[in-house]
Amino acid sequence: GQQVQQSPASLVLQEGENAELQCNFSTSLNSMQWFYQRPGGSLVSLFYNPSGTKHSGRLTSTTVIKERRSSLHISSSQTTDSGTYLCALVTNAYKVIFGKGTHLHVLP
Amino acid sequence: AQTIHQWPVAEIKAVGSPLSLGCTIKGKSSPNLYWYWQATGGTLQQLFYSITVGQVESVVQLNLSASRPKDDQFILSTEKLLLSHSGFYLCAWRGYEQYFGPGTRLTVL
Repeated sequence: GQQVQQSPASLVLQEGENAELQCNFSTSLNSMQWFYQRPGGSLVSLFYNPSGTKHSGRLTSTTVIKERRSSLHISSSQTTDSGTYLCALVTNAYKVIFGKGTHLHVLP
Repeated sequence: AQTIHQWPVAEIKAVGSPLSLGCTIKGKSSPNLYWYWQATGGTLQQLFYSITVGQVESVVQLNLSASRPKDDQFILSTEKLLLSHSGFYLCAWRGYEQYFGPGTRLTVL
C-alpha cells in the first residue's frame, strides 16, 4: 500500500477560512518536508519539519512521529494560497517519498 | 549561497530518440544529489540518487540511466525515449532539507 497518504485530495475554501492539510505515513520517518508546487511544476519549500511544530507567517507545520502524521495549517486563507501542496517523507538517508498532493482553491 | 541549474528548460523529442538532461549545483561541496520525475497530473517519484562522484543508485526503473561525472554535476539520460518518459524532471540536493532546481519539461511525441 501507499506509504505516504495526503488528505484531502482537494479543498475549496472561501477567502479568510482556515485549512488543515494532512500527511500520514506508514513507514519510518527520517524527516518531513512540505512544499508548494507552482503551476509550472517548480517547488517552493515551506517547511523542513522532522518533528514538533514550526511557524512561518500564516503557516504552521506539526509533525508527530509516534502518530505517523504531519500537518500543514493555513490560517486566514488568501486567493494567492491556491495551488498544490506536497509533503515529502525521507525514510532513510537517501530514499524520498512524495504524497499525491492537496489541490487547494481559495475563492474570493 | 547554493544554486541549482537544470538544462534544458524544456524539450520536445521524438519517440526513439536519445535524451540527456543536466543538473549542476554550485556552492555546495560533495552534495547528495537526486533525480525526480512527475508525469502530468501524477506524483513526484524519486528516480536516482548519488552520494559521490561516479556512484549512482536507482530507485525506480523507467528505462532511464543517470551518471555523476563531476562532484557538482548529475546527468539523466536514455538512448531511446518512450512516450511514457514525458513529464517534468527535477534535480535536487539534500543536506538536511532538500533544495530543488527549476525543472525540465519533457514532451515525447
